[in-house]
Order: sequence, then structure tokens, then C-alpha cells
Amino acid sequence: EAGVTQFPSHSVIEKGQTVTLRCDPISGHDNLYWYRRVMGKEIKFLLHFVKESKQDESGMPNNRFLAERTGGTYSTLKVQPAELEDSGVYFCASSLAGTQETQYFGPGTRLLVL
Amino acid sequence: GNSVTQMEGPVTLSEEAFLTINCTYTATGYPSLFWYVQYPGEGLQLLLKATKADDKGSNKGFEATYRKETTSFHLEKGSVQVSDSAVYFCARNTGGFKTIFGAGTRLFVKA
Repeated sequence: EAGVTQFPSHSVIEKGQTVTLRCDPISGHDNLYWYRRVMGKEIKFLLHFVKESKQDESGMPNNRFLAERTGGTYSTLKVQPAELEDSGVYFCASSLAGTQETQYFGPGTRLLVL
Repeated sequence: GNSVTQMEGPVTLSEEAFLTINCTYTATGYPSLFWYVQYPGEGLQLLLKATKADDKGSNKGFEATYRKETTSFHLEKGSVQVSDSAVYFCARNTGGFKTIFGAGTRLFVKA
């Protein structure tokens, strides 16, 4: 069974540009999460989808970040316009329904904003 | 506040040495506790977990015991291998769907 996949693996963009990250969860996982690790610090929660609905987006840093999960399958996270402080590793995770289910993480997308 | 604090790295050990990575947490209630590992070029993997006080999680020779009295969940392994070189993250859940992570500890194991 395929795990969580993320694309691209790396992205280097200039400040002010737009970047879109994609996450494909494990098939059948209703829960999808985005997390971010900035500058070697702790991994921080960004938001949580249940199917196509945003359940919790309390971790989204500002309105330059837009996450979607149309159809309840894959998700995209768009940063527009990107700023230097957005550089980091963006992780996606998915899990089955229920709060006690294990979250399975993807390899992450390494974003560098110059 | 609600946070997870783990020892700063990097930690450098020789093969077969004993490993301890300290982790403490603050939380209201009794969260589940986790250790995740990230091997080079790979995603986060759940290494072990414990869901209540005094539980011991174990996997691949690693162990961690949920200590409510000291609010700790230290990771240990009796004899590390080069292949254990990775970044280790301590984490807890929030009773809901969020996971709160520590800053990560990089481990280097030399042959």
C-alpha cells in the first residue's frame, strides 16, 4: 500500500512568488493534516481536513496560506505571495477516522524562499 | 502552556553505546505520547507510543515509559547502530487531532 506522498520534494522560489504544494494521503484516510518545521524548530500544526472540510485551521500563520482538499482526496497548500520566513519543511499526514488513530507522515516538501 | 521539550542535539555516539534522549511535556489532562523518527531523505515515522501513565512503548530496541509524576517520556536504546542515525521527535496529542512536537534531536552514530 502506498504511503503519504508529497510533491515537489524541494522547491526554491523568490520572495513574492507563488508556490503550491501537493499531498496525496493514504487511500481511505479521511483525515489529512498539514504541519510545518521552520528553521530546525519544532514541527507545528497548520490545519486538519476531514474529507473535504476544514476542521481546524488554527495553525495557519496568515492569509497568504490557502489549503484545499477538493473531493476529499488529495490536498494542496498554496503560499501566495511567499515570504522569506515561509522557508521550511512542510509535512502532510493522514489517518483513519478517530482521534486515536496513528498519523502517517509523508516525506515533506523542503521550501526555500530567497 | 502546552508544549514538548526535548534535549538539544546533535547527539553523537559510537556504535553499541547506550542512548537516552530526554523529553518532558506540559499538558492539561493525560495526553498520549509519541516518539517519531525521520531517517535521512524520508518522512516521519511513528517509532513508539504510550497512551497512559506507566505504559512503556517499545519498537526496534527503543523504549520509552510514560512517567506522569515527572511528565517525561525519555527515549532509550541499549545499543545503538549506525542505522539509527536520524532525527528523533518527541510528541503528544491534544485529545483531538493535533499533534504537538518537540524541536527534534539529531542523532549521529559512528562506526
